[in-house]
Amino acid sequence: EAQVTQNPRYLITVTGKKLTVTCSQNMNHEYMSWYRQDPGLGLRQIYYSMNVEVTDKGDVPEGYKVSRKEKRNFPLILESPSPNQTSLYFCASRVRGEDSNQPQHFGDGTRLSIL
Amino acid sequence: AQKITQTQPGMFVQEKEAVTLDCTYDTSDPSYGLFWYKQPSSGEMIFLIYQGSYDQQNATEGRYSLNFQKARKSANLVISASQLGDSAMYFCAMRRGGYQKVTFGTGTKLQVIP
Repeated sequence: EAQVTQNPRYLITVTGKKLTVTCSQNMNHEYMSWYRQDPGLGLRQIYYSMNVEVTDKGDVPEGYKVSRKEKRNFPLILESPSPNQTSLYFCASRVRGEDSNQPQHFGDGTRLSIL
Repeated sequence: AQKITQTQPGMFVQEKEAVTLDCTYDTSDPSYGLFWYKQPSSGEMIFLIYQGSYDQQNATEGRYSLNFQKARKSANLVISASQLGDSAMYFCAMRRGGYQKVTFGTGTKLQVIP
């Protein structure tokens, strides 16, 4: 089954404790992206990657890091989490295509609470 | 900078009636793509429909159609014959051609009344 898998689905942690949210896709997609969803703000793009070893900032990259060492994996790293990073996080992937009409496939989301 | 505006935070519609969810966008790029996604209360994001800036006809997918007015920079989603299962958040999103950034609107919460 084609899917984007995020782990963990839920996490409560404390300020300053480094954490990683993993994302893996089995569709051989070149493009992967991370979003955060906050009430009243919709989804905002954090980082995206067009292929292995190619990443770029989205609209809200501060406080986050990503890496793309393998095509299927795109982990999101919070080196020193703060309460304002409490949010619902989505990973997504799609075929690359310059003008692709292909939609993104989303993971089920990770609800992160930072105390 | 590109921007997506959804001015209706919440809407109600009677079951079996049609409803239009508004989306306006702002971009100076001639090439772009517009997407609508549905997010039920369970949280997953479900793709509904796509419209390309060069598409001559308005997109349709089953009960979903997109009222694309390029000059007005609007891409409204029309849901015909609403069903209770249509109750959800709906997001409009835009991807500029040649670029990989995606911008989402703030969403519209639709509630279908029996």
